[in-house]
Amino acid sequence: AAGVIQSPRHLIKEKRETATLKCYPIPRHDTVYWYQQGPGQDPQFLISFYEKMQSDKGSIPDRFSAQQFSDYHSELNMSSLELGDSALYFCASSARLGTGLMNSPLHFGNGTRLTVT
Amino acid sequence: GDSVTQMEGPVTLSEEAFLTINCTYTATGYPSLFWYVQYPGEGLQLLLKATKADDKGSNKGFEATYRKETTSFHLEKGSVQVSDSAVYFCALSDRNFGNEKLTFGTGTRLTIIP
Repeated sequence: AAGVIQSPRHLIKEKRETATLKCYPIPRHDTVYWYQQGPGQDPQFLISFYEKMQSDKGSIPDRFSAQQFSDYHSELNMSSLELGDSALYFCASSARLGTGLMNSPLHFGNGTRLTVT
Repeated sequence: GDSVTQMEGPVTLSEEAFLTINCTYTATGYPSLFWYVQYPGEGLQLLLKATKADDKGSNKGFEATYRKETTSFHLEKGSVQVSDSAVYFCALSDRNFGNEKLTFGTGTRLTIIP
């Protein structure tokens, strides 16, 4: 079965550079979530999109922005990178169920490991 | 706000031992509860879930029961295998309309010794 695809798998950037992470959800999944997992930490919710509109926002720095496109893929843009941004960034997707009051469980990609030097 | 408190690791067990990883939660409303597993270098995989009180989630020999009275969702397995070595995350989702974002516990690293 198709899974959530994230690219790139690994990314190395220098301080103050920018980075773009991409996420391709499972086909027919309309909701995308971004999580950040620091070394030895639990994943922290950053932001989510439903039908190309932002649906919720967590602890996402102002230096980061994200969007969901018409084909439902999503991109996380990170500017003015800091050493503390080094982490594993997960994308997850889900689908609205029935009348839309509930989502299916989240399916996670394998993540993008960002290293800022 | 919502929170998940999870048994700290690391946990090291011998093969075929009994496993319990404790998880308690704090939430308003009626959350859904999940256990996710993360193998080295991989993403989070849903292990099991329960959506209402007294539900039991089960998968691959693992079980967890949604206990509303004790706000707990402890993970158990009767006989662990080396292949169960991974990091296990307890999580909950609130029931905001159309949003199943997850709040995770801190994760428990499990190592099974042959």
